Parts: sequence; C-alpha cells; structure tokens
Amino acid sequence: NAGVTQTPKFQVLKTGQSMTLQCAQDMNHNSMYWYRQDPGMGLRLIYYSASEGTTDKGEVPNGYNVSRLNKREFSLRLESAAPSQTSVYFCASSEAGRASATQYFGPGTRLLVL
Amino acid sequence: AQSVAQPEDQVNVAEGNPLTVKCTYSVSGNPYLFWYVQYPNRGLQFLLKYITGDNLVKGSYGFEAEFNKSQTSFHLKKPSALVSDSALYFCAVRPWMDSSYKLIFGSGTRLLVRP
Repeated sequence: NAGVTQTPKFQVLKTGQSMTLQCAQDMNHNSMYWYRQDPGMGLRLIYYSASEGTTDKGEVPNGYNVSRLNKREFSLRLESAAPSQTSVYFCASSEAGRASATQYFGPGTRLLVL
Repeated sequence: AQSVAQPEDQVNVAEGNPLTVKCTYSVSGNPYLFWYVQYPNRGLQFLLKYITGDNLVKGSYGFEAEFNKSQTSFHLKKPSALVSDSALYFCAVRPWMDSSYKLIFGSGTRLLVRP
C-alpha cells in the first residue's frame, strides 16, 4: 500500500516548455487534489477532482490544466511553464462525500522553471 | 474571507519541555480543523483533526490540539518535546459547507527542538 505517489520527484524546465506531473493513489479514494507550496504561503489549491470524471478550479488555476484519467490517477499539466510556477507541487486524495475526511498527501514534485 | 493564521514563523523549545504551536481561523459556520507535519523534503503527514465533540483531540506521536470556539483557535500541543519533533507544522481548516472539501492552510510554523 503505497498511498499517494508522484512523479517526477524533481524537474527543471525552461520558460515555455511543457510538462505533466503524475499522481496516483491506491486507497480507493474518490477525491483528488493538486496544491502548490511556496515559502511563507502554505499550500494553495490549484485544481481538484471531487470524483472520477469531474474537475474544478481551485484558488490558483491559471497556467495549469488537469486530467482525471481514472479513479486512481490525476495529472497536472503546465502547457507553457513560467518562472512564477517554480514551486513544490503536492497531490492529495481523500474519501468523497464527507467534509471531515482526511486528505493524504504525496511526497511532492519540486519544479524549477528557468 | 476564510483564512487560517499561524502567528509564529518559528517556535523554539528545549527537549523535554512542553510545546505549543498556535493556530487561529476565520470561516463561516462550523469548521473542520486539521494539523499536518512536514519533514524536510517530504510530503505532509496527517497528525490529528477536530470534527465535533470533545474539544481536546489526541493524535499521532503524542500530539494533541485544543479547539476553542470562542477564541477561534486550534493550538497544537505536546507535553514533552523531542528533537525528532523538529519540522514544519501546518494548520488547515475546511469550511463544513464547502462542496469542494478543499483545505485552507496556514503559512506554517517551523518547530525547532534543541537538545
């Protein structure tokens, strides 16, 4: 039982390049989330997927797209990377339908955009 | 606006002493409150949460937190700190009526426990 896994662990991009961050969970959770973590700002929600087949914008969605590939996988795509997207990206998952449900986080992807 | 405040960027405590990491929140309605810990180059690990009921919540690694509705606070505590508790701690709140179930995070507090 690996929980939430993310790939890659670290990536360096040049401005304008694209990439996809992968996330998978094996806890049979319905809801999945993408956050970014910046120094002194905590984590901010980029996009979330309440259930398979649905996605919605979070607090900071500009410059990102997501795909809920199936119940297990939720990817985050940067179409044209910008230096402002340098951050640590975390994927999380939780059971659906309960606001009290705990979110479980992956180990993160460190992204540097030059 | 809904928000979480962690007023201390860093808390320093000697090993064996009690520790408190502060958190206050501002949300509409009843909140669900969470504490997470982040070790260097790792993801966030769940410590404990408050849903309803007893205001004192016990969690992992000997941590506990006290919910105070009148002061809108949810401070994290531990009776006796360990050097291994040194990490970054995040308080988070989920408004109970939010259909996205997203978490609103504080900016984090770095805990440093000295031997």
